[in-house]
Amino acid sequence: DSGVTQTPKHLITATGQRVTLRCSPRSGDLSVYWYQQSLDQGLQFLIHYYNGEERAKGNILERFSAQQFPDLHSELNLSSLELGDSALYFCASSVRANTGELFFGEGSRLTVL
Amino acid sequence: DAKTTQPNSMESNEEEPVHLPCNHSTISGTDYIHWYRQLPSQGPEYVIHGLTSNVNNRMASLAIAEDRKSSTLILHRATLRDAAVYYCILRDQEGYGGATNKLIFGTGTLLAVQP
Repeated sequence: DSGVTQTPKHLITATGQRVTLRCSPRSGDLSVYWYQQSLDQGLQFLIHYYNGEERAKGNILERFSAQQFPDLHSELNLSSLELGDSALYFCASSVRANTGELFFGEGSRLTVL
Repeated sequence: DAKTTQPNSMESNEEEPVHLPCNHSTISGTDYIHWYRQLPSQGPEYVIHGLTSNVNNRMASLAIAEDRKSSTLILHRATLRDAAVYYCILRDQEGYGGATNKLIFGTGTLLAVQP
């Protein structure tokens, strides 16, 4: 158990819909990272927040958005869902912004039908 | 982002040592070398990291070439639980508004461990 909690674990929805994935980092960790893992793309970095502030952005689509709240939990919002958005979405946390190991959650599996 | 090259797959026997190679010829002086692994149906898990010197921890050893253009992750005695995808990553600290610790994963090496 990494200490990072992601909900929901599984989610099935239809194309065009919107979903929200939630991540609670380890106690004391200020950084949250979001990754997408699909069969054909591997693990793709989406976005990094540190203490509520966006620090880096990767291959995140405009239909996707994220934020980190004052209590440090984070949410990833996916809208206008397409079949290709079906993937595992991982959240990771670390204590600092620029060093230290990342602790990954077990992921949220999104299926878009 | 600096790139790494790893074999797609490797096989090992249980209780034997495993050497997982990684090439990173474009590494810069400040790039740390990180190794993570991903067991089936789980999120990635930190294994080890280093900068210049060889490193040891309870999970593995990391041997870094003198010119830092390659490194090797060493599992001293493979177990069935070590079957996973192993990722060699150069930490990319470029961000905006401050440093970042984001990791850019490649395709990794799928390690199979035979009983």
